[in-house]
Amino acid sequence: SQTIHQWPATLVQPVGSPLSLECTVEGTSNPNLYWYRQAAGRGLQLLFYSVGIGQISSEVPQNLSASRPQDRQFILSSKKLLLSDSGFYLCAWSRNQETQYFGPGTRLLVL
Amino acid sequence: SQQGEEDPQALSIQEGENATMNCSYKTSINNLQWYRQNSGRGLVHLILIRSNEREKHSGRLRVTLDTSKKSSSLLITASRAADTASYFCALNSGNTPLVFGKGTRLSVIA
Repeated sequence: SQTIHQWPATLVQPVGSPLSLECTVEGTSNPNLYWYRQAAGRGLQLLFYSVGIGQISSEVPQNLSASRPQDRQFILSSKKLLLSDSGFYLCAWSRNQETQYFGPGTRLLVL
Repeated sequence: SQQGEEDPQALSIQEGENATMNCSYKTSINNLQWYRQNSGRGLVHLILIRSNEREKHSGRLRVTLDTSKKSSSLLITASRAADTASYFCALNSGNTPLVFGKGTRLSVIA
């Protein structure tokens, strides 16, 4: 069966510090991968998605970036965090553009 | 890309009652999906209904789709306290990622 992992689960970072969130998928190959951000009590904002290694589509221009160095690894990064980067970050995968399967999420607090 | 709009934004019911949530959209879709999110957790896929389908069932869940009105509803029958969560509709409009609505927060009071 397929599983998706995210780490860390919780992160507290100072403004201006770098960020690296990791997502890995097991049990499938060549998945579509997604990064979302969710503000408290709000809906999901799609940040990036990838249909293959090295292929990244950005939905929202901001100080975040994503990379896919391996087939089942998706990384969300920032060189300098802003207060507005605080939120709940969710990674998801899908076999096509249909059903998505989500990881447990990373709660980021920027102080 | 379009976003579904859920209605109501929040819903509070007693255990045993039925809960109905609605999702409206503006342009054509390939399919519409419903997801559930418990507080502080990832989303879980509940059900997918294709544009040529009108109704689907899964356990206590019933989803309808009216493409002429561009709307869908999710009915949870005989609700339980464990059904307390946020429910999101997501639209598949082609070869692009799903677009999620802002969700309905359901509270089931025991």
